[in-house]
Amino acid sequence: GAGVSQSPRYKVAKRGQDVALRCDPISGHVSLFWYQQALGQGPEFLTYFQNEAQLDKSGLPSDRFFAERPEGSVSTLKIQRTQQEDSAVYLCASSLGRGQGGYTFGSGTRLTVV
Amino acid sequence: SQQGEEDPQALSIQEGENATMNCSYKTSINNLQWYRQNSGRGLVHLILIRSNEREKHSGRLRVTLDTSKKSSSLLITASRAADTASYFCAVVGGSYIPTFGRGTSLIVHP
Repeated sequence: GAGVSQSPRYKVAKRGQDVALRCDPISGHVSLFWYQQALGQGPEFLTYFQNEAQLDKSGLPSDRFFAERPEGSVSTLKIQRTQQEDSAVYLCASSLGRGQGGYTFGSGTRLTVV
Repeated sequence: SQQGEEDPQALSIQEGENATMNCSYKTSINNLQWYRQNSGRGLVHLILIRSNEREKHSGRLRVTLDTSKKSSSLLITASRAADTASYFCAVVGGSYIPTFGRGTSLIVHP
């Protein structure tokens, strides 16, 4: 596609519910990143994939967070047993590869945990 | 941390004026990028400057990089109301994972 697509655009979850957020990167983009952005803050790094390999997951805040990219294209960020502090915008970005220009971001998924 | 820190946190100007925002970082970088974010939207890539470059231009945008001071600046000339947004610098080091600061919130009054 022309850009990075994220779905759903908005998600309301009850505390304790599991959620899955989807990211469709630009076709052919090798690198894929997930970020968490709290209101009024900058994006915080969560995890990074190069093709299907998860090379860095140091930003995942707890073991309730899990990300995968099984075929090196679409990625899913899963949050188990959601908590109120998980409420944020989750952004996905992709790029051609390491050091190859800027990163293209999706519009994000706004998660609200009630 | 290589995280960039933008300054000022907020900037309010009149249409037609220039807007300057700064970014400081702590370690060596591969490149530094500037992004814009409109309320409720994703980030849009504006410009990338590599560690061996000192200045780049793109339309009304001018970016400088001073690696000795570990700082960068973004200048928007002849600002427009449509430039109202948050601006972030992204510091990219050897891991090629961009790290962001808290951003500068720019308001341009018509």
